[in-house]
Amino acid sequence: DTAVSQTPKYLVTQMGNDKSIKCEQNLGHDTMYWYKQDSKKFLKIMFSYNNKELIINETVPNRFSPKSPDKAHLNLHINSLELGDSAVYFCASSEGQGDEQYFGPGTRLTVT
Amino acid sequence: EDQVTQSPEALRLQEGESSSLNCSYTVSGLRGLFWYRQDPGKGPEFLFTLYSAGEEKEKERLKATLTKKESFLHITAPKPEDSATYLCAVHRGATNKLIFGTGTLLAVQP
Repeated sequence: DTAVSQTPKYLVTQMGNDKSIKCEQNLGHDTMYWYKQDSKKFLKIMFSYNNKELIINETVPNRFSPKSPDKAHLNLHINSLELGDSAVYFCASSEGQGDEQYFGPGTRLTVT
Repeated sequence: EDQVTQSPEALRLQEGESSSLNCSYTVSGLRGLFWYRQDPGKGPEFLFTLYSAGEEKEKERLKATLTKKESFLHITAPKPEDSATYLCAVHRGATNKLIFGTGTLLAVQP
């Protein structure tokens, strides 16, 4: 059983398009996260939700909009994609804030 | 400013050659230090959490230790399957977020 799953695994799109990445966790965790990993493998938090409520919103362009329809899902919608958005995006979840986080397999986004 | 620095950036070992990876941090209000392993094309996999100076955790060939300024991940008699990027992250309670280091890429040759 996959604990944290993301779809799609790969996403190739052109500048200016809008795309979404979906994340689901079956661990029963209360907190979910989105991270961006750049080409140098640096992982940076973008957003965090606790029980569907936004608790962390880093300095991310407002073209990025997370949505949590329920505790088990956290989706990421990106408008007007730019070349600099190319990266690997990871979803993660934890039982509570500050607990160990469990990561999904990642979505490699390539903007051309 | 909160900072996490890992060294070395890359490490190549022969199978059986023990070594240590370092994670030094400057953060106020540390609530926990986490070690993760990341294989190519996969998400980080949780290894350990350390909460206070002097604490140690072990798992197979890995042992993590924590002081007030740094953490070490000791690898004893590594095998090729231990090859991966090892990431360290600190949790600062006031912000409730993890701050990651840039990782150490470990290659263990048979």
